[in-house]
Amino acid sequence: AQSVTQLGSHVSVSEGALVLLRCNYSSSVPPYLFWYVQYPNQGLQLLLKYTSAATLVKGINGFEAEFKKSETSFHLTKPSAHMSDAAEYFCAVSVDTGGFKTIFGAGTRLFVKA
Amino acid sequence: DTEVTQTPKHLVMGMTNKKSLKCEQHMGHRAMYWYKQKAKKPPELMFVYSYEKLSINESVPSRFSPECPNSSLLNLHLHALQPEDSALYLCASSPGPGLAYNEQFFGPGTRLTVL
Repeated sequence: AQSVTQLGSHVSVSEGALVLLRCNYSSSVPPYLFWYVQYPNQGLQLLLKYTSAATLVKGINGFEAEFKKSETSFHLTKPSAHMSDAAEYFCAVSVDTGGFKTIFGAGTRLFVKA
Repeated sequence: DTEVTQTPKHLVMGMTNKKSLKCEQHMGHRAMYWYKQKAKKPPELMFVYSYEKLSINESVPSRFSPECPNSSLLNLHLHALQPEDSALYLCASSPGPGLAYNEQFFGPGTRLTVL
């Protein structure tokens, strides 16, 4: 069965530091992978998605993620954290159960220190 | 218009009440979803509508009753809820139901409290 695992329920970085949020997937077929962000009291917003067109995917707000098949990973990075990046981040995979649905990881809360 | 709207923003109801949540999108999307999200947890899928027909029901209790009157609207009717049903209810839509690479567009959610 397809699934995603996010390593670390909380990540804390200083403003201006590198952001690295980890996601590993489990899939017997090429997966469609997504990163979503959720700000407090809001819905989810797509940051980026992997659809096999390119292994390095660039998203909004300076985020990017690299698909590594050998490591079954799709980690999210941003070179320099900003206070406004503080939010909950979800890695997700699209699965086919006779109709496609999205399975979300447990989420990683990003804290940004001034 | 690239947004999904949800009303009401907040809802407080007793266990004997009947209420409805409403979701609307005008992006021409043909798949619409209801999710339930508890605090500090990821969204949990409840229902999927494809071309206005219910295609996935994740074994949701019958006190939750979805309805898709047309391609732009999605309702969730609530009746005899329990306090543990208190959560953020998110609506989402995506362009094509049969396309795994389509992302979902989420509304801001309805914060439901059951007393």
